[in-house]
Amino acid sequence: DQQVKQNSPSLSVQEGRISILNCDYTNSMFDYFLWYKKYPAEGPTFLISISSIKDKNEDGRFTVFLNKSAKHLSLHIVPSQPGDSAVYFCAASTGNQFYFGTGTSLTVIP
Amino acid sequence: GAGVSQSPSNKVTEKGKDVELRCDPISGHTALYWYRQRLGQGLEFLIYFQGNSAPDKSGLPSDRFSAERTGESVSTLTIQRTQQEDSAVYLCASSSGGQGFQFPHFGDGTRLSIL
Repeated sequence: DQQVKQNSPSLSVQEGRISILNCDYTNSMFDYFLWYKKYPAEGPTFLISISSIKDKNEDGRFTVFLNKSAKHLSLHIVPSQPGDSAVYFCAASTGNQFYFGTGTSLTVIP
Repeated sequence: GAGVSQSPSNKVTEKGKDVELRCDPISGHTALYWYRQRLGQGLEFLIYFQGNSAPDKSGLPSDRFSAERTGESVSTLTIQRTQQEDSAVYLCASSSGGQGFQFPHFGDGTRLSIL
């Protein structure tokens, strides 16, 4: 049973524009939500997180929004850069357990 | 280095053989996780260690899979009598496991290919 879902397997965006990656979850007990970025042949690297008691967290070009009523979160990247091209995984945690989505492959076109 | 180290980075073996995958977590990290990523798929949870014990083994796909951790450090994932569907990248992650939110740090994975 997939508790964290990323329904868009891929996304293409022009350089300089905004990238919006979406994620849905089913378990209302999740207390933190995370985004990881993964390049080929490397492990995922942590990007940004948000606590379930907040609705927005910003770090430079990256902002994560959480809508608890809709059980939905999104990652905004603005402006998008070619180096942002990677697979992005959404994850949710309860305690020390982490559940990952299936990933969205982002391509930023120069 | 100071990151999570996994070995081997690549492993090719024949169907039916046993394989052992090793993970060296970040020093001092008490929580350790194994995940699997099959081609074109997401990260599939396998097992979680807190210290040397495994409170959650629910993700292990079958009894051919086992894992252990010793000294609150290195962990080994063993797959017996490998099958072609075991081909995947096996990722290990660790976190400090302490109070408050601690995100997992991942290694670069072991790419396992079963012929």
